[in-house]
Amino acid sequence: AQKITQTQPGMFVQEKEAVTLDCTYDTSDPSYGLFWYKQPSSGEMIFLIYQGSYDQQNATEGRYSLNFQKARKSANLVISASQLGDSAMYFCAYKTGANSKLTFGKGITLSVRP
Amino acid sequence: KAGVTQTPRYLIKTRGQQVTLSCSPISGHRSVSWYQQTPGQGLQFLFEYFSETQRNKGNFPGRFSGRQFSNSRSEMNVSTLELGDSALYLCASSLLTGRRGYEAFFGQGTRLTVV
Repeated sequence: AQKITQTQPGMFVQEKEAVTLDCTYDTSDPSYGLFWYKQPSSGEMIFLIYQGSYDQQNATEGRYSLNFQKARKSANLVISASQLGDSAMYFCAYKTGANSKLTFGKGITLSVRP
Repeated sequence: KAGVTQTPRYLIKTRGQQVTLSCSPISGHRSVSWYQQTPGQGLQFLFEYFSETQRNKGNFPGRFSGRQFSNSRSEMNVSTLELGDSALYLCASSLLTGRRGYEAFFGQGTRLTVV
């Protein structure tokens, strides 16, 4: 069955340091997209970064980069220079096919310490 | 441009009642998807509408239904509410064209409490 896994317990990082949030996925579809979202306590899901399965290079969006290892089926999010405002839940998600359905992992809580 | 708007933000209903939630997508986006988020089950896909047609449906009972209007606005209805329906309901809109067309932009959600 297709699934997406985030197994890390709550993560802590010191302000201004980098942190990696892990995500592995399992799909038999050769064409898929991988997403990371941030959900602060307000509840809104905020798009961070996208990686297509055929993209040759790892995606980057400002302080966010995605370490995409296709053979290992992993799509880890790297946040550089952490800020206090980065404290939130982070969700990895993927989609396949032409529709918009996203399958989400369970999420990881990130706490940034001053 | 305006983001995804969900109304109401908070709702308290009694078991057995029904509820309707509304979602206005980003202008030009024709795909609207709905998700239920609970502490136990996480984020689960409810259904997707595109051009007023339901294209995809998650594994939820028939009490959960939705529709999409010609202006792409979407409503979700839950009939005969149960305590377990208490959740954050999130709506997402997508453009579905272009390289990044599949990005889903979410609203702030409707937090439903069933008592």
